[in-house]
Amino acid sequence: DGGITQSPKYLFRKEGQNVTLSCEQNLNHDAMYWYRQDPGQGLRLIYYSQIVNDFQKGDIAEGYSVSREKKESFPLTVTSAQKNPTAFYLCASTDRTGQRTEAFFGQGTRLTVV
Amino acid sequence: AQSVTQLDSQVPVFEEAPVELRCNYSSSVSVYLFWYVQYPNQGLQLLLKYLSGSTLVKGINGFEAEFNKSQTSFHLRKPSVHISDTAEYFCAVSRSGGYQKVTFGTGTKLQVIP
Repeated sequence: DGGITQSPKYLFRKEGQNVTLSCEQNLNHDAMYWYRQDPGQGLRLIYYSQIVNDFQKGDIAEGYSVSREKKESFPLTVTSAQKNPTAFYLCASTDRTGQRTEAFFGQGTRLTVV
Repeated sequence: AQSVTQLDSQVPVFEEAPVELRCNYSSSVSVYLFWYVQYPNQGLQLLLKYLSGSTLVKGINGFEAEFNKSQTSFHLRKPSVHISDTAEYFCAVSRSGGYQKVTFGTGTKLQVIP
């Protein structure tokens, strides 16, 4: 079955370390997204990519970086510049056609700074 | 630019009672509208979507929503809730006529009381 796989499910990071969250999809979707979810704040867009080798900053891109070298993969790096990285991170993808623009989500990665 | 407002952050309701979760949007162009559900520590999954046509949309798990263009609303309803409906619900909007990033509301936590 097609879907989005995020790994790991839980991740612990020491202060000052960079960590990379994996996101892979086999839905053949062009667009992929990273969201951060904090209690009471809903989903906030970090980065999105509409095509391979291209991506744009979302609303809260500071302290994060991404790459899109393959259509199937959109990894997110949380850098040491991110002051408060503890959160639940969700990866999503959408079809580029106009009729099927619902987002498909992975199961999320919970990142905790220790 | 588009935006989504979910007026209620939490909605408690007794089991077997009806519920309405409110969503209002703003956009200068035609939109697609979605409701997603998120269970604890999970990703989001689609409940229903409005693309065009009938303004009353039926989704999974007995939920339905009505698109009201004049009031720019897309409220979610269920005539009789179950304990298993306890979750967080997100309204989302995407612009039609091309694929654009999806904008999410801040979510409404539905707590079903036995």
